[in-house]
Amino acid sequence: DTGVSQDPRHKITKRGQNVTFRCDPISEHNRLYWYRQTLGQGPEFLTYFQNEAQLEKSRLLSDRFSAERPKGSFSTLEIQRTEQGDSAMYLCASETSYSGNTIYFGEGSWLTVV
Amino acid sequence: KQEVTQIPAALSVPEGENLVLNCSFTDSAIYNLQWFRQDPGKGLTSLLLIQSSQREQTSGRLNASLDKSSGRSTLYIAASQPGDSATYLCAVKGANNLFFGTGTRLTVIP
Repeated sequence: DTGVSQDPRHKITKRGQNVTFRCDPISEHNRLYWYRQTLGQGPEFLTYFQNEAQLEKSRLLSDRFSAERPKGSFSTLEIQRTEQGDSAMYLCASETSYSGNTIYFGEGSWLTVV
Repeated sequence: KQEVTQIPAALSVPEGENLVLNCSFTDSAIYNLQWFRQDPGKGLTSLLLIQSSQREQTSGRLNASLDKSSGRSTLYIAASQPGDSATYLCAVKGANNLFFGTGTRLTVIP
């Protein structure tokens, strides 16, 4: 068990560029979550996968955001035409399908849009 | 929509003191409640998980309680140490989502 892994840890991009973050969940965890956190705030839910199916999306996830989880393994979160307001830490988390289990978070991917 | 509130927003205590962090939530239909620790610029580390049917959980110097009917949880930290300095986040689990508070930033002064 190597924990939830996120890449890259830090990304600086110019406004208007596209960025992609990758998350590798704990093996055999079939549920995967993406959250966004800004300074001084708690994480906010973006989207949730069970296996490869994206079952829920927040209204925060505008049409510039897309997430995938091919084959129910790793996941990617892509932000198109980045805006300065997208600057935040993007957190990935995973858990097993039993709803009472602990959710484990990765170290996060920091995005700065300049 | 579930709303989670944490009080106080910040707390500063001398080393060795016992302390209590508070969390309240508006919808009692939860699966569980988790307390997390977050160091600056880092991800979240799970500290304690309390199932909706449980009243409390203990791990080392940490004790978390849950009163689901009143929508409250507390995290008790005994004999605080400078290494406990961090932000502590409370999160309640709905069907497909964790709802977070904004955290309590704890500073333990040596």
